[in-house]
Amino acid sequence: NAGVMQNPRHLVRRRGQEARLRCSPMKGHSHVYWYRQLPEEGLKFMVYLQKENIIDESGMPKERFSAEFPKEGPSILRIQQVVRGDSAAYFCASSPFGGEISYEQYFGPGTRLTVT
Amino acid sequence: RKEVEQDPGPFNVPEGATVAFNCTYSNSASQSFFWYRQDCRKEPKLLMSVYSSGNEDGRFTAQLNRASQYISLLIRDSKLSDSATYLCVAQTFNQFYFGTGTSLTVIP
Repeated sequence: NAGVMQNPRHLVRRRGQEARLRCSPMKGHSHVYWYRQLPEEGLKFMVYLQKENIIDESGMPKERFSAEFPKEGPSILRIQQVVRGDSAAYFCASSPFGGEISYEQYFGPGTRLTVT
Repeated sequence: RKEVEQDPGPFNVPEGATVAFNCTYSNSASQSFFWYRQDCRKEPKLLMSVYSSGNEDGRFTAQLNRASQYISLLIRDSKLSDSATYLCVAQTFNQFYFGTGTSLTVIP
């Protein structure tokens, strides 16, 4: 009964490098959300995806950040040319439904990104 | 104005105490509400959904007041293991808005 899986759990990148964060949703879930949590702050919505579609990316920074959820394989959050301010915990959550239906999200263990 | 606001605390209570957390949301179109708990440096875990009629799960009771746009969580007979940060969440269409959390420490 695998839950939401994220890897890597910890990622260290130098400024200017690329970071790739992966998320495999729970079995049977086709909706994926990415959140960022800075130290001592709440979770901030970044993007909501279904298979092969970005539904809502209103929380994503306009530059350097992108996300995808291909037909096969995990969802990927990609950060290009990382800067120190990108250091945070990135959580992925999945749910079986989306849209206006009330539903619960289940979170993965997160990826802690440190930019040196 | 933040979508969801919570008193950050900290709340320090003795074992066995009853503690209540409140949370307000700004968007009257929000359709669903949840409480999550988050332990230090871990992922949020769903505690319970919040229904208009109020709902209870063991020692935990959640209430929703749509007219006043606030949500509450009551924890009875606090245990040491209840120590965590409690996150209030409002779902508005596709998005989930998280409060910054209320910190609870239960003291022996």
